[in-house]
Amino acid sequence: EAQVTQNPRYLITVTGKKLTVTCSQNMNHEYMSWYRQDPGLGLRQIYYSMNVEVTDKGDVPEGYKVSRKEKRNFPLILESPSPNQTSLYFCASSFLGLAGRNTGELFFGEGSRLTVL
Amino acid sequence: GESVGLHLPTLSVQEGDNSIINCAYSNSASDYFIWYKQESGKGPQFIIDIRSNMDKRQGQRVTVLLNKTVKHLSLQIAATQPGDSAVYFCAEAATGGFKTIFGAGTRLFVKA
Repeated sequence: EAQVTQNPRYLITVTGKKLTVTCSQNMNHEYMSWYRQDPGLGLRQIYYSMNVEVTDKGDVPEGYKVSRKEKRNFPLILESPSPNQTSLYFCASSFLGLAGRNTGELFFGEGSRLTVL
Repeated sequence: GESVGLHLPTLSVQEGDNSIINCAYSNSASDYFIWYKQESGKGPQFIIDIRSNMDKRQGQRVTVLLNKTVKHLSLQIAATQPGDSAVYFCAEAATGGFKTIFGAGTRLFVKA
């Protein structure tokens, strides 16, 4: 079954304790991205990756890191989490269309709800 | 800056009626628009898309209309069913094609 898998689905942590949210897709997609979803703000892009070893900042990258060492995996790293990073996080992936453009048809994971105390 | 927004945060319709969800976008350079549906506890799912060289596209029970003159996008759901209850997001593929920008979402309630 084609899917994007995120782990953990739920996490409560404390300020400053490093954590990693994993994301894996089995569709051989080139493009992967992380979003955070907050009430009234929709989904805001944190980081994205066009391919292995190619990553770039989205609209809200502060406090986050990512890596893309393998095509299928795109972990999100919070080196020193703070309460304002309490949010619902989504990983998404897609094929790249003509001229390397993101087609926009994103496949999303089920989400990871993170609470930072 | 670029933004995609929705006119109404909540829409309530009677089962069997048609639903219309509206969206405004501000980036004239966007050439690809998408509607996503997010059910409770799940990630968004693709519903239908439209490119800027079209003004209408139909799917199964859904139609997307694009008015580039006023930068307006709408999603029409025919014969709305309880299973259509969800949050609906419009999105635009940003210039350069490396980003998808989402609106804040509209919650659709379907009354039985």
